[in-house]
Amino acid sequence: SQTIHQWPATLVQPVGSPLSLECTVEGTSNPNLYWYRQAAGRGLQLLFYSVGIGQISSEVPQNLSASRPQDRQFILSSKKLLLSDSGFYLCAWSAFRLQETQYFGPGTRLLVL
Amino acid sequence: DQQVKQNSPSLSVQEGRISILNCDYTNSMFDYFLWYKKYPAEGPTFLISISSIKDKNEDGRFTVFLNKSAKHLSLHIVPSQPGDSAVYFCAASGLNAGNMLTFGGGTRLMVKP
Repeated sequence: SQTIHQWPATLVQPVGSPLSLECTVEGTSNPNLYWYRQAAGRGLQLLFYSVGIGQISSEVPQNLSASRPQDRQFILSSKKLLLSDSGFYLCAWSAFRLQETQYFGPGTRLLVL
Repeated sequence: DQQVKQNSPSLSVQEGRISILNCDYTNSMFDYFLWYKKYPAEGPTFLISISSIKDKNEDGRFTVFLNKSAKHLSLHIVPSQPGDSAVYFCAASGLNAGNMLTFGGGTRLMVKP
């Protein structure tokens, strides 16, 4: 069966520090991968998605970037965190077919102080 | 422009009664709809989906209804249980958007014992 991992679970970082969040998927090949952010009390905002290694699409302009160095690895990064980057970050995967359900990881809670 | 809206931010229901969560969408190209359940500090869990070729899909206590002419879907939970207390997100996708999901803002369901 497929599983999705995210780490760390919680992160407290000072403003201006770098960020690296990692997501890995097991049990499937060539998945579509996604990064979402949920700000406090709000819905899910799609940040990035990837349909293959090295292929990243960004949905909103922001202080973050994403990379996919391996088929089942998706990384969310920032060179300098802002206070507004605080939130709950979720990675998700779906099969590489149309209209497939997205499955989410456990999430990373990021607090920028 | 919110293409998927959940107009009720919260809903309170007595245990054993029916919970009805509503979702409206504006994009007529959406043809696949999903409901997710989310506990605090966890990733969303997929509940149930429906394709636009159907108007009803049932899975145990959960039933999703789709009214394409009204661009409206609803999730019925019968009977409601205290463990159903969570935030529920509806999401939609269309063939022209690949596997991209557009999420509503969520409805917090509280089931009282």
